[in-house]
Amino acid sequence: DSGVTQTPKHLITATGQRVTLRCSPRSGDLSVYWYQQSLDQGLQFLIQYYNGEERAKGNILERFSAQQFPDLHSELNLSSLELGDSALYFCASSVEPSGGRGSTDTQYFGPGTRLTVL
Amino acid sequence: AQKITQTQPGMFVQEKEAVTLDCTYDTSDPSYGLFWYKQPSSGEMIFLIYQGSYDQQNATEGRYSLNFQKARKSANLVISASQLGDSAMYFCAMRPRTGTSYGKLTFGQGTILTVHP
Repeated sequence: DSGVTQTPKHLITATGQRVTLRCSPRSGDLSVYWYQQSLDQGLQFLIQYYNGEERAKGNILERFSAQQFPDLHSELNLSSLELGDSALYFCASSVEPSGGRGSTDTQYFGPGTRLTVL
Repeated sequence: AQKITQTQPGMFVQEKEAVTLDCTYDTSDPSYGLFWYKQPSSGEMIFLIYQGSYDQQNATEGRYSLNFQKARKSANLVISASQLGDSAMYFCAMRPRTGTSYGKLTFGQGTILTVHP
């Protein structure tokens, strides 16, 4: 158990709908990251938050948005869903992006939310 | 931009033997971290081992060791004394330690390891 929690574990919805995925980081971790894993794209970085602020953005669609709340949990919102959005969505957390040479800043992953768009 | 290449889509190993999973990377960042993750069929991503680009010694974590050859830009994972529970997908990943992409992990395509009894 990594200490990162994600809800729900499974989500089945229809095209055009909107869903919210929730993530709680490990205790003490300030950074939250979202990744998408699909068969055709592999594992792709979506977005990173650090202590409530957006820190880095990857290949995140405009239909997707995220935020990190004061209690450090994060939500990923996916709207106008398409069949191609079906994937496993991971949240990861790390202590902080310190960048120091002695820091590994390892990202620990949650169990993922499997989204199926029908 | 960073790129990770895992050239072995699948690997087979006999129980109790050692196996090496290959990983090569490409980056222009002067400082970076290399990671290996395990993804069993249940789907979760499990962190295995970390190697910093400035680390002089190869990383080891129990039965896992990382064969880091900086000049060749390779970071192969060695699993000793394979167990049936090692059967899973293995991902190599890299993250720069500076710049605006600091937090972004770039993953390879993965290698499926099957351990035979």
